[in-house]
Amino acid sequence: EPEVTQTPSHQVTQMGQEVILRCVPISNHLYFYWYRQILGQKVEFLVSFYNNEISEKSEIFDDQFSVERPDGSNFTLKIRSTKLEDSAMYFCASGTSGGPVSSYEQYFGPGTRLTVT
Amino acid sequence: QKEVEQNSGPLSVPEGAIASLNCTYSDRVSQSFFWYRQYSGKSPELIMSIYSNGDKEDGRFTAQLNKASQYVSLLIRDSQPSDSATYLCAVNRTGRRALTFGSGTRLQVQP
Repeated sequence: EPEVTQTPSHQVTQMGQEVILRCVPISNHLYFYWYRQILGQKVEFLVSFYNNEISEKSEIFDDQFSVERPDGSNFTLKIRSTKLEDSAMYFCASGTSGGPVSSYEQYFGPGTRLTVT
Repeated sequence: QKEVEQNSGPLSVPEGAIASLNCTYSDRVSQSFFWYRQYSGKSPELIMSIYSNGDKEDGRFTAQLNKASQYVSLLIRDSQPSDSATYLCAVNRTGRRALTFGSGTRLQVQP
């Protein structure tokens, strides 16, 4: 069964450094998403991406963050100048374009644990 | 007011019993409703989605939606110890794909 994959599984970085989290969405999906979950807290939406552009973003997704689909398979989240509070699990998700019934189902990858020291 | 509310639990049920998980949401323009299962340290796994009022069944799982009461629930029949996890309710607004998650209900199925 196709699944979303993410690399690396764990990333440790120093405060102020830039990190790139990578995702390979399910191959026939057209919508891509990033969410994060700070330890012990809710899953929070960051951004959605469709047709090579951001379709929605949350207040969390400020200028520190950017997303890119550099090729036909990868989807990346770049975090510039990381802060201690960026430490979290970052989940990539993907979904189909949906049909008349507006199926907005999203399938999550295993996540990247980002630790900022 | 929280957008998506769930009782944090833990909800403890004996093996073979029915587990009932509840979720309320505040935004009346919510369109689609999802139940995810999350094991400790793992990612959310989609169990069910529901868009229309009423019941939707898939194996041992039944999702129930009541838009007038802004209430969605998940029933798990014949609960197994492997069902022990945190169950997340998620909602999206009409025309938007961003999911808003509740804080989850921790379910413990006792052997």
